[in-house]
Amino acid sequence: EVQLLESGGGLVQPGGSLRLSCAASGFTFFNYAMTWVRQAPGKGLEWVSSISGSAASTYYGDSVKGRFTISRDNSKNTVYLQMNSLRVEDTAVYYCAKELTGPYVLIDLDYWGQGVLVTVSS
Amino acid sequence: QSALTQPPSASGSPGQSVTISCTGTSSDVGGYNQVSWYQKHPGKAPKLMIYEVTKRPSGVPDRLSGSKSGNTASLTVSGLQAEDEADYYCISYAGSNNWVFGGGTKVTVL
Repeated sequence: EVQLLESGGGLVQPGGSLRLSCAASGFTFFNYAMTWVRQAPGKGLEWVSSISGSAASTYYGDSVKGRFTISRDNSKNTVYLQMNSLRVEDTAVYYCAKELTGPYVLIDLDYWGQGVLVTVSS
Repeated sequence: QSALTQPPSASGSPGQSVTISCTGTSSDVGGYNQVSWYQKHPGKAPKLMIYEVTKRPSGVPDRLSGSKSGNTASLTVSGLQAEDEADYYCISYAGSNNWVFGGGTKVTVL
């Protein structure tokens, strides 16, 4: 059974940093691209960042480019999202998700974690 | 990159059909056959319903179908059931390794 378990969320002040983790199980991790998607309170879904199966390719949404870094450790079956220079508008539930078809990023996401709340506030 | 345009709401009675549009430009929806649709219930994770415009993942009923014409993609839910009441989001590849979501459509089963 595929499982994705996010951790690392919490309350942080503007300008601060936080690292999210997503531990995966139930599939051959390095064979699949992974993506982070967020949803701010009362708002819609927003694509944040994606990483290919080999970690050779990483992609970022415009609103987080230069502040967030996605990475993965295929030996630990874990994908990370390092979030720096956090802003109030980064407050959201962050989901990690697995690519449906394989190691390339297409944002066809068939399994999702339960989400982790990040609150940026002073 | 601007969000794709979806109607804020749509509704139908049980057994009826509802179609949700997702309008972009030739740089995103119109330029690629990479449109997906997600269903989201409050407090739950999104669920992939359609990918590559028309394909259904395993387990998604054939009451759901996707299509595209020009710069507009559409999701049709036929034979509406109570469990179809949810928010629906489209997402499209927008070139240069960017993807953009629509604003979401709240579907109400009357």
